[in-house]
Amino acid sequence: NAGVTQTPKFQVLKTGQSMTLQCAQDMNHNSMYWYRQDPGMGLRLIYYSASEGTTDKGEVPNGYNVSRLNKREFSLRLESAAPSQTSVYFCASSEESPLHFGNGTRLTVT
Amino acid sequence: KQEVTQIPAALSVPEGENLVLNCSFTDSAIYNLQWFRQDPGKGLTSLLLIQSSQREQTSGRLNASLDKSSGRSTLYIAASQPGDSATYLCAVEWNTGGFKTIFGAGTRLFVKA
Repeated sequence: NAGVTQTPKFQVLKTGQSMTLQCAQDMNHNSMYWYRQDPGMGLRLIYYSASEGTTDKGEVPNGYNVSRLNKREFSLRLESAAPSQTSVYFCASSEESPLHFGNGTRLTVT
Repeated sequence: KQEVTQIPAALSVPEGENLVLNCSFTDSAIYNLQWFRQDPGKGLTSLLLIQSSQREQTSGRLNASLDKSSGRSTLYIAASQPGDSATYLCAVEWNTGGFKTIFGAGTRLFVKA
């Protein structure tokens, strides 16, 4: 039982490049989330998906897009990466509660 | 707007001391509240989950309380140890047409041996 799996673990991008962060969960959870974590700011919600086929903006959605591909998978896309998007990205899932987190993706944009 | 605030931002205590971390939230119609621990460079580990109908939860030396009417939760750590040094995050979940969880910025705890 893998829980929540994120790929890749590390990524370096140049400004303007695009990439997709992948997340999959095997717990049959309806809700999935993408957070970013920056020093001194805790975790901020980028987008979430309450159920398959729905997505909603969180606190900091600008510069990102998401796709809830199916119940298991929720991807986060950066169309044109900017240095301000350098951060650690966490995917999480839940079925009402509690939250289960992946191990994070450390992204650096130069 | 739903917001979560944690005070203090950082705390340094000698080993053996009892301590309290605070979390406050707007919009008292919460679904649940969860406390997490995060070690440097690592993911999040769930410590305690309090449902909206509960007043407190305990696990070992940890006790978390919830007062929905005042929009507050506290995490009490008894007899602190150097191994407790970490960042502690409070997360509040609301059900507003879908479950959404907002985190506080965290409290960085350092326990001195």
